[in-house]
Amino acid sequence: AQSVAQPEDQVNVAEGNPLTVKCTYSVSGNPYLFWYVQYPNRGLQFLLKYITGDNLVKGSYGFEAEFNKSQTSFHLKKPSALVSDSALYFCAVRDRGSSASKIIFGSGTRLSIRP
Amino acid sequence: KAGVTQTPRYLIKTRGQQVTLSCSPISGHRSVSWYQQTPGQGLQFLFEYFSETQRNKGNFPGRFSGRQFSNSRSEMNVSTLELGDSALYLCASSLETTQNIQYFGAGTRLSVL
Repeated sequence: AQSVAQPEDQVNVAEGNPLTVKCTYSVSGNPYLFWYVQYPNRGLQFLLKYITGDNLVKGSYGFEAEFNKSQTSFHLKKPSALVSDSALYFCAVRDRGSSASKIIFGSGTRLSIRP
Repeated sequence: KAGVTQTPRYLIKTRGQQVTLSCSPISGHRSVSWYQQTPGQGLQFLFEYFSETQRNKGNFPGRFSGRQFSNSRSEMNVSTLELGDSALYLCASSLETTQNIQYFGAGTRLSVL
């Protein structure tokens, strides 16, 4: 069975500092991995995805994520946080082995950037 | 291109009633998925439709049902509403393959009194 874990409910970072939002996954085959962001009263917006190739994936708004197969992790990172990055972040996984596989979302991590 | 449109944005119902939510996907997208979002449970997968067929289903009771029409528009129905059904219901559309990005609507916030 597939699963995604986001171990931190909340991450607090000062503006200008680097940020990391953690995600680990479990899937029987090879995964497609995604990060989405949700701003208040909005639906989720796509940030980036890992399909294949380079383990470091670059996405929107200066975010990047590193796929680590041995640690089954896909942590989201940004070198310098902005107050506007404050939002709810979701990691998601889908087993690429089957078109019938579901996309599973983590529980979400609330990122708070203080000025 | 217009985004994913969900109607209505807000709904207030009482226990025992039923409700129908609507989702219009991005033009050309044939896959539509539905999610329930609550503060305690996070984002829970309800079902996925592709070309009018239910391709996947989450672990929700039979009171939750859905369908997709030939124009890819989708509806979900919840019968015999319970207080615990109060949530934000999100619809997402995507192209056919599993690696594709999901595009989310703004959601329908359902309050059950």
